[in-house]
Amino acid sequence: DAGITQSPRYKITETGRQVTLMCHQTWSHSYMFWYRQDLGHGLRLIYYSAAADITDKGEVPDGYVVSRSKTENFPLTLESATRSQTSVYFCASSSRENTEAFFGQGTRLTVV
Amino acid sequence: GQNIDQPTEMTATEGAIVQINCTYQTSGFNGLFWYQQHAGEAPTFLSYNVLDGLEEKGRFSSFLSRSKGYSYLLLKELQMKDSASYLCAGMDSNYQLIWGAGTKLIIKP
Repeated sequence: DAGITQSPRYKITETGRQVTLMCHQTWSHSYMFWYRQDLGHGLRLIYYSAAADITDKGEVPDGYVVSRSKTENFPLTLESATRSQTSVYFCASSSRENTEAFFGQGTRLTVV
Repeated sequence: GQNIDQPTEMTATEGAIVQINCTYQTSGFNGLFWYQQHAGEAPTFLSYNVLDGLEEKGRFSSFLSRSKGYSYLLLKELQMKDSASYLCAGMDSNYQLIWGAGTKLIIKP
């Protein structure tokens, strides 16, 4: 199916564990983004990528790692999860830097 | 600093018109986006303005004034399905989106 998909949709993990959130898009969009969404805040950019093998930090990158070896995949890893990383994570993609972004369904992550 | 301000919550009646305002401060400007987000779902694109003026798309219109750092989203003939959060986002000179916290729109019958 065409689109952008995230997995898992829900995840509960323990403090200190490593967890990876997956994101896959089938449009061959150049740009991909990871955001977190918390109550009372706007979407906050964690990392973004302009193309395969090119990634850059966003507003809140600490504690996160990304990679982009293939255009279609953009996984986000929490190296050692903390309670403050409990959030809803959205992956998004766009064909150009100043065009609409398409969002995945989101991953609700709870760190206990 | 960069900032987006929009009301936290608004209430309107089915069939009526509502205007959701957004003021922005960004380092440089490459456009203003509006997204709709239903509870528990992903944001979906509504509109993009980069020039001053009104853009109309069916029941939804978006307005931009660059000199005032101001935009609004106008929703006409409100339907119950329009109950959602509306997110305003300004794009800065580095093409980074700065997001507002969203306006939760409640539609009453």
